[in-house]
Order: sequence, then C-alpha cells, then structure tokens
Amino acid sequence: GAVVSQHPSRVICKSGTSVKIECRSLDFQATTMFWYRQFPKQSLMLMATSNEGSKATYEQGVEKDKFLINHASLTLSTLTVTSAHPEDSSFYICSARRPGTGYQPQHFGDGTRLSIL
Amino acid sequence: DAKTTQPTSMDCAEGRAANLPCNHSTISGNEYVYWYRQIHSQGPQYIIHGLKNNETNEMASLIITEDRKSSTLILPHATLRDTAVYYCIVIQGGSEKLVFGKGTKLTVNP
Repeated sequence: GAVVSQHPSRVICKSGTSVKIECRSLDFQATTMFWYRQFPKQSLMLMATSNEGSKATYEQGVEKDKFLINHASLTLSTLTVTSAHPEDSSFYICSARRPGTGYQPQHFGDGTRLSIL
Repeated sequence: DAKTTQPTSMDCAEGRAANLPCNHSTISGNEYVYWYRQIHSQGPQYIIHGLKNNETNEMASLIITEDRKSSTLILPHATLRDTAVYYCIVIQGGSEKLVFGKGTKLTVNP
C-alpha cells in the first residue's frame, strides 16, 4: 500500500488564490521530504527539499516566497502556492525516504494536479 | 551526478521481455544506478537499483556492464500495466536527491 500520501489529488481554483498541498509519510518519520513539479509532457523537476524543523532548501529558479514549504512534524510537509496564477498550473508531487540501514528508495505520493483558472 | 542517456520511446509486445537501455558513460565509482517508472498521472515508483553487480527483484532485473558505462533494465514478461515512462538515474550512494531526465516511454502492446 501507499507509504506517502498527498492531499488533495486535484485542485481547481481562481487566479490569486493560495493553495496548500499536504504530503504525509504514513508509517515512518521523514526528516526530509522533496517537492517536485511536472508540466505536461515534461519530466519531474525538483523544486525544493523540505527539512523538518528548519528552512527548506530551494532549487535554483524556484521562488521561495511563492512556494512556501512547512515541515512542522516528522510525518507532514506542506507546500503552499501563494497567489497562484495560470502559469502555476502543474502536477505537484512529493517524496520521502523511509529511514533505515542500507538503501531505502524514495516513495512518492500520487501527486496533486493544480489548475488555476 | 553523472548524466544518463535513454531512448525516447520503445514498444514491446505483451508477454515478451522489455529491455530498456541506459547510457551513463561518465559514472563514477561511488555512484549507483537507480530505475524508477511513472505511470500516467501518478507519482514515480521505485523499481530497482545497483552499483556494479547485476540485481534482480520481483519487478525486474538490472544488468550493469563491467565498465559500468551502461545498464539495461529488463522486465521479463511485460504486461499492459507496465506501460509507463522509465527513468534511469545515477546518483551518489547516500544521496537522497533524485534528478529526473526525460526517460523512456515504454508502450506495451496487446
């Protein structure tokens, strides 16, 4: 079953609205989570690394004031798209890695499709 | 992290083996090869990973050449549900950050 849950799965809203997306690790604690964005027919682009208890690390070209990330607990990270505009319409996906010895793969949520009218 | 090169698309008949190649000629000694796939409108799914030895799990096999400059992901008996974009990613061991390229769009045909 799923180990990373994202909510909501789909959002349609008006331009200027702020939208919050939640990413939860279901049966493990994740000190680090990742947020990706995927435009149609393109690959996933890493936006930022969410760090529990500290500031997120943003990739080059990603506006930190536009995409607010909060990782207040070990099982929840949120991405808020502030004052969203049509160009922010995209598929947003989060991931987390289960802690443990040896290699643990990244588990991805099922994504949130954001449509700004 | 080393760059990877994959064919843009491939087709495979249902029930046959699907062999997906990946070129990573600049891979360094401490970099692993990971494979993920993304079925349409879903998040990526981990398939397999390896360093230098061939690996097999319930989903697939990974064959890495002796010089580690290329690898092949093998789905032994492809089904329609294996239709997806397959990503070959090379990163350092212990690194959590995945950088996705364009991948190979595999279409399994009935």
